[in-house]
Amino acid sequence: GAGVSQSPSNKVTEKGKDVELRCDPISGHTALYWYRQSLGQGLEFLIYFQGNSAPDKSGLPSDRFSAERTGGSVSTLTIQRTQQEDSAVYLCASRASGTYEQYFGPGTRLTVT
Amino acid sequence: EDQVTQSPEALRLQEGESSSLNCSYTVSGLRGLFWYRQDPGKGPEFLFTLYSAGEEKEKERLKATLTKKESFLHITAPKPEDSATYLCAVTLMEYGNKLVFGAGTILRVKS
Repeated sequence: GAGVSQSPSNKVTEKGKDVELRCDPISGHTALYWYRQSLGQGLEFLIYFQGNSAPDKSGLPSDRFSAERTGGSVSTLTIQRTQQEDSAVYLCASRASGTYEQYFGPGTRLTVT
Repeated sequence: EDQVTQSPEALRLQEGESSSLNCSYTVSGLRGLFWYRQDPGKGPEFLFTLYSAGEEKEKERLKATLTKKESFLHITAPKPEDSATYLCAVTLMEYGNKLVFGAGTILRVKS
């Protein structure tokens, strides 16, 4: 079946601009996660959505980062006023209810110039 | 502080030369330990989940084992296509189900 999809695959933006990254999870998966992977930092948790519960935003690095999940499916990660340190690969993962395995999408490579 | 440490950082093997990758963790309330494979420019690919000490999982040339403080990923007779970064991650009861990752081991298998 179809895996997790993310768009765009690459995004180059100027410092100070806003960007939106999209994630389409595996159909039927109730949990959705965003992670960031950067050189020297490894993979870091950003935010977690589970069904209709309030999201766990504990990993968001600043208030410039926000995310939403509409209709329990697609999620959008928004970064406002991008900074060069935001350059990284942003990965989305989803998980089926009652399981612990997370399945990752291909990621969006964000470059802030 | 909860930590996941992988060693070595990089490993070069000849084709057919078996070896092991290590993942040690200092956490409380381990719910599960996961191994992922990541190829350049791609997202992590799920390999194994281990839940309790003594558990083992196998898939082709890979076998993952778990003790109370560490996990090993054994690679038997590796092939060049096994070259990738192998990531270890844990999920903790106190953190819900988010993954805490190690830095990874970069494996290169030469023919």
